[in-house]
Amino acid sequence: EPEVTQTPSHQVTQMGQEVILRCVPISNHLYFYWYRQILGQKVEFLVSFYNNEISEKSEIFDDQFSVERPDGSNFTLKIRSTKLEDSAMYFCASRRGQDGGYTFGSGTRLTVV
Amino acid sequence: GEDVEQSLFLSVREGDSSVINCTYTDSSSTYLYWYKQEPGAGLQLLTYIFSNMDMKQDQRLTVLLNKKDKHLSLRIADTQTGDSAIYFCADIRTGGGNKLTFGTGTQLKVEL
Repeated sequence: EPEVTQTPSHQVTQMGQEVILRCVPISNHLYFYWYRQILGQKVEFLVSFYNNEISEKSEIFDDQFSVERPDGSNFTLKIRSTKLEDSAMYFCASRRGQDGGYTFGSGTRLTVV
Repeated sequence: GEDVEQSLFLSVREGDSSVINCTYTDSSSTYLYWYKQEPGAGLQLLTYIFSNMDMKQDQRLTVLLNKKDKHLSLRIADTQTGDSAIYFCADIRTGGGNKLTFGTGTQLKVEL
């Protein structure tokens, strides 16, 4: 069964450093998303991406965050200057069309120290 | 409103049925989903239902939707220890773009 692949599975970074979280969505999917889950809390929407541009973003997704689809397969989330409160599990998801379910990756656990 | 609410914990004995409940406040929900999250793992899509349906069955899983009361439930028949996980309901709303709004999650513990 097709999967959404995320790397790395766990990243530790120092406060103020830039991080890039990587995702390979399912190949025939057109809609791409990032969500995050702070430990013990809800899964929260960050951003959606379609047709090579951001279609929606939440208030969490401020100027420190950016997304990119640099080629036909990768979808990345960059945090420019990490803060302690960015520590969370970050999930990438993709969807083929506007009907049907999202497929989530297994997540990247980001720890900011 | 934005809220999707679930009870936090449910404990059942192996072999019994589990019923996990979810209430949502936005009447424009179009699709409603159930996801399973095992410890340290990602979100596994279990099933979803379109808002014009009131029931969907898939093997051991039965989803019931009461749109009037904005209530969604997931019934797991013959619950096994491997079903122990956190279960999230989530919805997509008309005019809400394509984003999922997740519930708080219900931790299901299956005891022998």
